[in-house]
Amino acid sequence: GENVEQHPSTLSVQEGDSAVIKCTYSDSASNYFPWYKQELGKGPQLIIDIRSNVGEKKDQRIAVTLNKTAKHFSLHITETQPEDSAVYFCAAHAGGTSYGKLTFGQGTILTVHP
Amino acid sequence: EAGVVQSPRYKIIEKKQPVAFWCNPISGHNTLYWYLQNLGQGPELLIRYENEEAVDDSQLPKDRFSAERLKGVDSTLKIQPAELGDSAVYLCASSFATGTSGDTQYFGPGTRLTVL
Repeated sequence: GENVEQHPSTLSVQEGDSAVIKCTYSDSASNYFPWYKQELGKGPQLIIDIRSNVGEKKDQRIAVTLNKTAKHFSLHITETQPEDSAVYFCAAHAGGTSYGKLTFGQGTILTVHP
Repeated sequence: EAGVVQSPRYKIIEKKQPVAFWCNPISGHNTLYWYLQNLGQGPELLIRYENEEAVDDSQLPKDRFSAERLKGVDSTLKIQPAELGDSAVYLCASSFATGTSGDTQYFGPGTRLTVL
């Protein structure tokens, strides 16, 4: 089955700096890659996603890039703010017989210092 | 628009006791998911419903876990009997299945279960 590796496990930045979180996946059939933000005591919230026919997608301060050949995708947050502090999860959707199943990475704890 | 609703938010029980979690998905979403999230880890799928049919329950420990979605709307996940290792957050998510590659899943706040 699909395996998703996420790095780093913790990331500490100063307000205004950029943050980058990277994920690799194992199943070349995976075709959908969402990113979720989870704050303490809450469920994961979708912040951005990308499909396999697109190499890059941007939404204000957040961008995601996908390299299908290398089977990795990254989340980029620019001009970080303290409210960006949370746990971020990447995920991959394999499709086919595993349609509907998301496999999540282990998470990255992002801390933005004022 | 209301999001995914889950109850209770917190539950503390003694081991060997039964427990049930309830989920009401976003209106119009025909696909419902139950995930398990252990501390410090990403969610792991337990079961996926399309309407009232469980189409993927391969990760559900069927000796003690059961789930139902009788009318294709809200769903209940049950554990009987609970074990210490079941302490975790149980997340419910829903999506509107479009048949294309990957449907956006929206998560509820989760139920935090503590088994003593």
